[in-house]
Parts: sequence; structure tokens; C-alpha cells
Amino acid sequence: QVQLQESGPGLVKASETLSLTCTVSGGSVSSGSYYWSWIRQPPGEGLEWIGYISYTESTTYNPSLMSRVTMSVDTSKNQFSLKLTSVTAADTAVYYCARVGTDYSYYFDQWGQGTLVTVSS
Amino acid sequence: SYELTQPLSVSVALGQTARITCGRNNIGRKNVHWYQQKPGQAPVLVIYRDTNRPSGIPERFSGSNSGNTATLTISRAQAGDEADYYCQVWDTSTVVFGGGTKLSVL
Repeated sequence: QVQLQESGPGLVKASETLSLTCTVSGGSVSSGSYYWSWIRQPPGEGLEWIGYISYTESTTYNPSLMSRVTMSVDTSKNQFSLKLTSVTAADTAVYYCARVGTDYSYYFDQWGQGTLVTVSS
Repeated sequence: SYELTQPLSVSVALGQTARITCGRNNIGRKNVHWYQQKPGQAPVLVIYRDTNRPSGIPERFSGSNSGNTATLTISRAQAGDEADYYCQVWDTSTVVFGGGTKLSVL
């Protein structure tokens, strides 16, 4: 079964760039059957989709975050990454990476455990 | 923007049936997916494309979608079903989550 694991700094200063990586095991990011996604959840709040990427690096981002988000894929390392620029306290959240099933609709069938990123002033 | 409306909370007696709704105009025309999230854990997909259960999800979990409402039904509710539940839709290349429903099993 595929497993996903987020990694990256747990503390980022306001106005700087948040960078996270998701390592995929038990499966390949090069699979054409899936996309790969980032989702976040502020403390005590609901889920917010950030965006998704294919192994060909085709991307789709949440319009509300589009101006600050970049995703990339490294097939040689079986990883995909997230960069979020100009962060503020509102970006403090648990960040999840997830695999996206793409048969007739898009849904998240495997999730990482999540990593808490705190933006400090 | 595309918004999905869920009740903030639902309560169910142990062993009874819980129904969690997800509302939007003509949501029946979309595929709806459901996630269970227990405290401190990542969400888990419990229903995809309205009615399908992933491997490992008990048959007690079922889904339906028609008109303006999609529904997640949990039969014979157990204490372990206490969690937050989120609906999700993919629409015009973007992903939308409902606000989430806290299920309490009494």
C-alpha cells in the first residue's frame, strides 16, 4: 500500500517561504493514474485544498492561493513538493500531502500523517 | 464560488443510524466523496463517487446523492465512529470541501 510522508520546517517566519516535501513509498509518483496534492487544516478548522500536480508537472491550484503557491515533482526521488511564499499567521496549519484518485472525479484516497507548520512573527 | 453546506454537529445513539448531509444546488449532478477524521489523525476516505466504499471500510458506511443533497449514512453506529466528517466535490478543476460535521455517538 502506498504511503506518504511530509517533511520540512515546523516553524517559518512571517513573510518568508514555506517549503514542504512529500515522499511517496510503495508506489510511484510517475503513475499516470494519479495526481498528487497538498491540503491544509488550520488548528480547529476544516480542510482547505491547496492544489494538485501530475507527474508531468501539470498543476492546478486553489484560486485563493494561486499567486503564492508552486508545486513540483521529482520523479527520481519519488517526491513532490510545495512552496508557499509570503506567509502570514493565517498560513499556520497542519499540511497534508495526499494521492489523488482520478477515475471520473478527483478524490484523496491516501494521505500522509500531516505536519504542523507554525508561522511566527 | 462552489460551497458545500454541512451541519456543524450530528448526534446518534449507540447502535442507531446516523445521517450526515452535504448540501448544494444540484449537487446530485456531481460526484461526492466523504472523509472521516478522528482527533489528531489524518482524514480517511470512507466513500468515493457517491456510493463506493474503499477497501477496508465497513459496510455500515454508505452514501447517496440526489437533487440538492448528498448523504453519508452510518448504520449501527459505534463509539469508534465518533469523528469529524467532510464531504468533498471536484468541480471545474477545483476541489471544494464542506465545512465538516462532528458526529457524537451517545
